[in-house]
Amino acid sequence: GQQLNQSPQSMFIQEGEDVSMNCTSSSIFNTWLWYKQDPGEGPVLLIALYKAGELTSNGRLTAQFGITRKDSFLNISASIPSDVGIYFCAGHRRSGSRLTFGEGTQLTVNP
Amino acid sequence: GAVVSQHPSRVICKSGTSVKIECRSLDFQATTMFWYRQFPKQSLMLMATSNEGSKATYEQGVEKDKFLINHASLTLSTLTVTSAHPEDSSFYICSANLRSNYEQYFGPGTRLTVT
Repeated sequence: GQQLNQSPQSMFIQEGEDVSMNCTSSSIFNTWLWYKQDPGEGPVLLIALYKAGELTSNGRLTAQFGITRKDSFLNISASIPSDVGIYFCAGHRRSGSRLTFGEGTQLTVNP
Repeated sequence: GAVVSQHPSRVICKSGTSVKIECRSLDFQATTMFWYRQFPKQSLMLMATSNEGSKATYEQGVEKDKFLINHASLTLSTLTVTSAHPEDSSFYICSANLRSNYEQYFGPGTRLTVT
């Protein structure tokens, strides 16, 4: 079953607002990945994190690898309508292990 | 870079028939590919890990005789759903890792409907 707790499950925001979502685990993860999935499509990799404490940006997106290696967050600044979709966190617990997914955060942006 | 394609994107088949889904890494070689299944409003569920030149590793509860996986080359893995039933209707997504890192790239998915 899922080992990553992702929250919130859904968010309804106004265009221009900032968004934050996070994932936590009781286990240590070696990598954290954040994906976005549009309806009827496969997930698209947004940001990959490899080191505890690492803070990485990709345009309006910023993600951090928690210092304890048990959590990560994703921030989206100045949201726009095309940010709508489901965001998944995912991680590898150890080298060569399979990817574990969070349950997803459904983001709705009202224009 | 790191583009993964799937074919077909959508397929409808009759109960009892078999369906093959292809997954290709277009601009890189992938020794390992993964097959996921996703139900509406749910996260991705790993079905199996496909290893080039060897047998696939199936997750607990996934029938290997029903979901046949072949990874014959470094750029192609196939998933065959045998004797399909309506409950096999789902969104199937493949992914692949670049050799040197843990970044997993996903295909666009295949919507299977069994009537």
